[in-house]
Amino acid sequence: GDSVTQMEGPVTLSEEAFLTINCTYTATGYPSLFWYVQYPGEGLQLLLKATKADDKGSNKGFEATYRKETTSFHLEKGSVQVSDSAVYFCALRDQGAQKLVFGQGTRLTINP
Amino acid sequence: ETGVTQTPRHLVMGMTNKKSLKCEQHLGHNAMYWYKQSAKKPLELMFVYNFKEQTENNSVPSRFSPECPNSSHLFLHLHTLQPEDSALYLCASSQLAETGGSGYTFGSGTRLTVV
Repeated sequence: GDSVTQMEGPVTLSEEAFLTINCTYTATGYPSLFWYVQYPGEGLQLLLKATKADDKGSNKGFEATYRKETTSFHLEKGSVQVSDSAVYFCALRDQGAQKLVFGQGTRLTINP
Repeated sequence: ETGVTQTPRHLVMGMTNKKSLKCEQHLGHNAMYWYKQSAKKPLELMFVYNFKEQTENNSVPSRFSPECPNSSHLFLHLHTLQPEDSALYLCASSQLAETGGSGYTFGSGTRLTVV
């Protein structure tokens, strides 16, 4: 079945550091890929998405590229801020399928 | 405005109380979901409703009783809960099938504390 594996957290960085959160997936079909972010005390918000190979999703300075050859969708940001502290979830949804499959989440803390 | 509204945001209840969580979506979606999020645990999918019919119940104890009167509203009725049921309860909605990168839209959650 479909699955998503994220790098284990927690991740702690200093402000303005470069961020990478790794995400790899297995899927039977041609999934769309998503990154969701959960700020403290809130629900999950869609951060970015990509629907086909080589697509790049971007939002709020975050980027992720759909790499079919490596089955990966790593999240990157060039210079993180304290306000980026949150839990990040990678997810996939197969084309035509109902189920959204989540990774386990990665907690990110940015120190000033 | 996320399009999915959950009330209340916070709820404290005793083990003998009965309370209900409410979720409403304004996105025209035809599927709705309840998730449980406990500290240091993965997201747990509890119930799935498609066109207001329950299609999935992931071995959830009967003290949690969902209700979906129409495609826009979803309730979770709670009674005789245990302290370990304290968690963030998230509602989500979506179109039934993925098309063009459609994911789920989540509400802000209800933080439930059972005392």
